[in-house]
Amino acid sequence: SQQGEEDPQALSIQEGENATMNCSYKTSINNLQWYRQNSGRGLVHLILIRSNEREKHSGRLRVTLDTSKKSSSLLITASRAADTASYFCATDPNSGYALNFGKGTSLLVTP
Amino acid sequence: KAGVTQTPRYLIKTRGQQVTLSCSPISGHRSVSWYQQTPGQGLQFLFEYFSETQRNKGNFPGRFSGRQFSNSRSEMNVSTLELGDSALYLCASSQQGNPYNEQFFGPGTRLTVL
Repeated sequence: SQQGEEDPQALSIQEGENATMNCSYKTSINNLQWYRQNSGRGLVHLILIRSNEREKHSGRLRVTLDTSKKSSSLLITASRAADTASYFCATDPNSGYALNFGKGTSLLVTP
Repeated sequence: KAGVTQTPRYLIKTRGQQVTLSCSPISGHRSVSWYQQTPGQGLQFLFEYFSETQRNKGNFPGRFSGRQFSNSRSEMNVSTLELGDSALYLCASSQQGNPYNEQFFGPGTRLTVL
């Protein structure tokens, strides 16, 4: 079953702009992860933030987590055409051993 | 290290047939998970195996089954295929399985049921 819900469903920006995607979830979690998927291919792990962390950075990525609001955001700074992909948040409920994915945000970065 | 590999990459079957998909995890990874991805339902968890034991199963009918071998390689089987089984089937491996680790995904097997 899906727990994460990304917002917006689709986002179109120009190169150099920042892209922000949001994710909301329903139950308590151990961690929240963000993945990228290029057109019909496998998912690539971007970043993992644990439930006791509030913010994490990795290169041009910044992830925040607000467990009181059950929400997370992914910020991609200075976007590039190569960032064009679908982005998924995945939550790991306390029951473990499975990831619950949202339906993703489709990001289009135009030159 | 080599990444997660899945075979075959593409498969076309007809309704009523059965299919077996294979996944080889990253060397040293003992957890293998399977996911089904469709445009309508998105990514849905099928099952997870660790050291040849199924630890968790998603909400799929019994036609969907899987197993893991002693070398951590995993197979999933779908019997009596239905049109709605057309999907991208993704395999992911990790050292211990969630909640501890990120998942490494293979490229997927695209199954088309006619």
